[in-house]
Amino acid sequence: EIVLTQSPGTLSLSLGERATLSCRASQSVSSSNLAWYQQKPGQAPRLLIYGASTRATGIPHRFSASGSGTDFTLTISRLEPEDFAVYYCQQFGSSPLPFGGGTKVEIK
Amino acid sequence: EVLLVESGGGLVQPGGSLRLSCAASGFTFSSYSMNWVRQAPGKGLEWVSYIRGSGSTTYYADSVKGRFTISRDNAKNSLYLEMNSLRAEDTAVYYCARDGLDFWSGHYGLFELWGQGTLVTVSS
Repeated sequence: EIVLTQSPGTLSLSLGERATLSCRASQSVSSSNLAWYQQKPGQAPRLLIYGASTRATGIPHRFSASGSGTDFTLTISRLEPEDFAVYYCQQFGSSPLPFGGGTKVEIK
Repeated sequence: EVLLVESGGGLVQPGGSLRLSCAASGFTFSSYSMNWVRQAPGKGLEWVSYIRGSGSTTYYADSVKGRFTISRDNAKNSLYLEMNSLRAEDTAVYYCARDGLDFWSGHYGLFELWGQGTLVTVSS
């Protein structure tokens, strides 16, 4: 069973800075089957990116994803106020559909 | 407007049962596979169950297999989760989530649309 480990646990950054979030898989994952979600306090998660780097509907271009094999990255090019949230990676395709533990991006 | 609205959460004793509902609107419900995903208080996300658009195929996480049953009523645009033999570790916000993958691809579990969630608390 694949385990996804996200790092760092918390990322403290200022507005306008670049955020780089990591998701490492315990075994190789197809980049086609990797997704990223954003969750703000008190809200449901929202799909950001899936597949190699396909942004979901309405997701700004400052969000991008990359990676292959066991190492994947979500990048936010310039942090906006609404980007401070928790981000989860997830493997989709077949059970058990694991999520990473999340990275919190907070205002420095 | 495309919307998913969960209901049915509440406080239940260990060993008890509860039935969650998810009302869908703004899209052709029967054309989409659906999922339940949960989040324990202050914790991460855990997929719970999947059902195909026709209702003919279902999958469960090992943690709920044999205790939870997913179903749907396409005439009522509704998704359900029947939860039995509830345990303290089932305490969580339960989200229904529309699947973004075509069943015929053989893949599932991309959660493209989420409801606001309903809280289930299992405690004596």
